[in-house]
Amino acid sequence: KNEVEQSPQNLTAQEGEFITINCSYSVGISALHWLQQHPGGGIVSLFMLSSGKKKHGRLIATINIQEKHSSLHITASHPRDSAVYICAVRSGTDKLIFGTGTRLQVFP
Amino acid sequence: ETGVTQTPRHLVMGMTNKKSLKCEQHLGHNAMYWYKQSAKKPLELMFVYSLEERVENNSVPSRFSPECPNSSHLFLHLHTLQPEDSALYLCASSQEGLPHEAFFGQGTRLTVV
Repeated sequence: KNEVEQSPQNLTAQEGEFITINCSYSVGISALHWLQQHPGGGIVSLFMLSSGKKKHGRLIATINIQEKHSSLHITASHPRDSAVYICAVRSGTDKLIFGTGTRLQVFP
Repeated sequence: ETGVTQTPRHLVMGMTNKKSLKCEQHLGHNAMYWYKQSAKKPLELMFVYSLEERVENNSVPSRFSPECPNSSHLFLHLHTLQPEDSALYLCASSQEGLPHEAFFGQGTRLTVV
């Protein structure tokens, strides 16, 4: 069992829909990252959070430390949001542990 | 553009070839990383360099040989690879210490034939 689990693995949506991607982890962490990987392979950091909630444009990330759970929300989704979204946690030993990613496709 | 540049973007090599992947960052970071991303698997950490010293080697076969000549550059030297080494190789950099963001390069898509 992975120390970082994401769900769903694949997600399709219609443009405009509200999207939620979930991440659960089983280790103690100092921070959690949400990353976006485009088809070419490049990875962009979306959020780094250790508590509460962060918002950037149409993206919102939340984390519940007690429940060891984080969610990434996309409001008013758009085809350009199509990508793989990766959750990664920084463990107590300062290692980055990655989930397997959620592949999102948003259709017009 | 994340500030981390990898070259080449694509590489096809035979099993007897020797090639090198290059990573460059001018973000002033003091830690650099090589990751391997195989299909349908999480990113796997291969090597970590901090202040130009290798601080982590995650049981990577010796056919992968990293080099960090200075804090801005990181290489991954490849020789006698196997087809199962075909993957996306990602470089990242960060500032050591407090929880920090890692900045990733675009990756090198490696195919071993």
